[in-house]
Amino acid sequence: EADIYQTPRYLVIGTGKKITLECSQTMGHDKMYWYQQDPGMELHLIHYSYGVNSTEKGDLSSESTVSRIRTEHFPLTLESARPSHTSQYLCASSEYSGQGGNTEAFFGQGTRLTVV
Amino acid sequence: EDKVVQSPLSLVVHEGDTVTLNCSYEVTNFRSLLWYKQEKKAPTFLFMLTSSGIEKKSGRLSSILDKKELFSILNITATQTGDSAVYLCAVIAVAQKLVFGQGTRLTINP
Repeated sequence: EADIYQTPRYLVIGTGKKITLECSQTMGHDKMYWYQQDPGMELHLIHYSYGVNSTEKGDLSSESTVSRIRTEHFPLTLESARPSHTSQYLCASSEYSGQGGNTEAFFGQGTRLTVV
Repeated sequence: EDKVVQSPLSLVVHEGDTVTLNCSYEVTNFRSLLWYKQEKKAPTFLFMLTSSGIEKKSGRLSSILDKKELFSILNITATQTGDSAVYLCAVIAVAQKLVFGQGTRLTINP
C-alpha cells in the first residue's frame, strides 16, 4: 500500500486567498511530482523534484510554487488563488535506484480545489 | 519536447470483448513505461515495462513494450464492467520526469 498523503482532500476558497496543498510520503522516495487534472482530462505535470532543495517546472505553466526542504514533504502553494486554478491536484512520488531501475509512481488521493 | 500519445482516446465495447490500448512515445533518454488505471481519484499502478519484447501479465491484463518502434500496448481480455476506467500510459524520461499521455477512456457495456 502506498504511503503518500495529500491534504486537504477538498478545498473551497475565495479568490485572492493564499493556499498551500500538502503532500507527504513515508517511503523515502527522492522523486516527487505535482500534476493538475481537470475532470475527464489528462494529467499535466506542473512541478517535480529530484530530491531535497531541487525543484523544476513541469510541462504545464503554473502560477503555483513548490518547495522541497525535506525528502518526505513537497508542498504546493498558490499565492493568490483565482477561479482558473479550480482543478484536481495530484501528488506522486517514485524512486530511482540507478542503472535504469525505477519504481512506479505512487499517487496520493488528490486535492480537489475550487476557487469561488 | 517529450510526448506520449495514446489511442484511441475513447473506446466502448461489450462485456466479454478483448481490447487493445496503444501508447506511443517520443522522449529523451527513455527509462521505463508505466500503465495506470484511473477510475475516480488517483491512478492505480498496473505495469512497469523496461525491456522490449517481455510481456507482463496480471490476470486478464497484459502489456508489452517495443523500444525500437517506441510503443506499448495494453491488452484486456474477457472485459468486465469493472474494467471501465481511464487507462493512462506514462514514460519516465531524462531527469526522471514522469510524462503522461492523454489517457484512453474505456467503457464496458453489459
